[in-house]
Amino acid sequence: KAGVTQTPRYLIKTRGQQVTLSCSPISGHRSVSWYQQTPGQGLQFLFEYFSETQRNKGNFPGRFSGRQFSNSRSEMNVSTLELGDSALYLCASSLGDDSPLHFGNGTRLTVT
Amino acid sequence: QKEVEQNSGPLSVPEGAIASLNCTYSDRGSQSFFWYRQYSGKSPELIMSIYSNGDKEDGRFTAQLNKASQYVSLLIRDSQPSDSATYLCATRRAGSYQLTFGKGTKLSVIP
Repeated sequence: KAGVTQTPRYLIKTRGQQVTLSCSPISGHRSVSWYQQTPGQGLQFLFEYFSETQRNKGNFPGRFSGRQFSNSRSEMNVSTLELGDSALYLCASSLGDDSPLHFGNGTRLTVT
Repeated sequence: QKEVEQNSGPLSVPEGAIASLNCTYSDRGSQSFFWYRQYSGKSPELIMSIYSNGDKEDGRFTAQLNKASQYVSLLIRDSQPSDSATYLCATRRAGSYQLTFGKGTKLSVIP
């Protein structure tokens, strides 16, 4: 069974630009979550989607948004990029509420 | 602020020894607990999940949960150099869809 697939693996953007990251969950997984990982803050929750509905959102500004499609694939978008947005963005999928998360390889975003 | 605390390490153990990783959490509503392993430059990989008090064993790994003490631990028996990684503790409260992660403990297994 294929794992969680994230594209692209690496991105370099300039301040003020916007970026879209993509995630394909494990087949059969309907829950997709996004996390930001930085050396200083560790892993922080961005948002979670289930059946195209955002069920929970972390403490991030409105510049961070996401969506989920009917095939469970998900995208997250960051607008007006700031230097502090440089991080590893991780997508994870799970079967449901109490199931463990399985992470993709992540997208390394660098904002210059 | 609900927190998950881990000793950042590094924790160094000789090859073949038992590595003991600890985690405390502040949210008494936490119901599910997970250990992830993360190699440098890689994404977190699920090692263990535990939902009730006591021990849960899987191969060389044993997770221990004590909800009264708000304490979770991971024991790695017969540690191998390939176990050298950062270990992340994560909790989830009932009815929540997010994990709260500790900042991880870096383990180094010395050959």
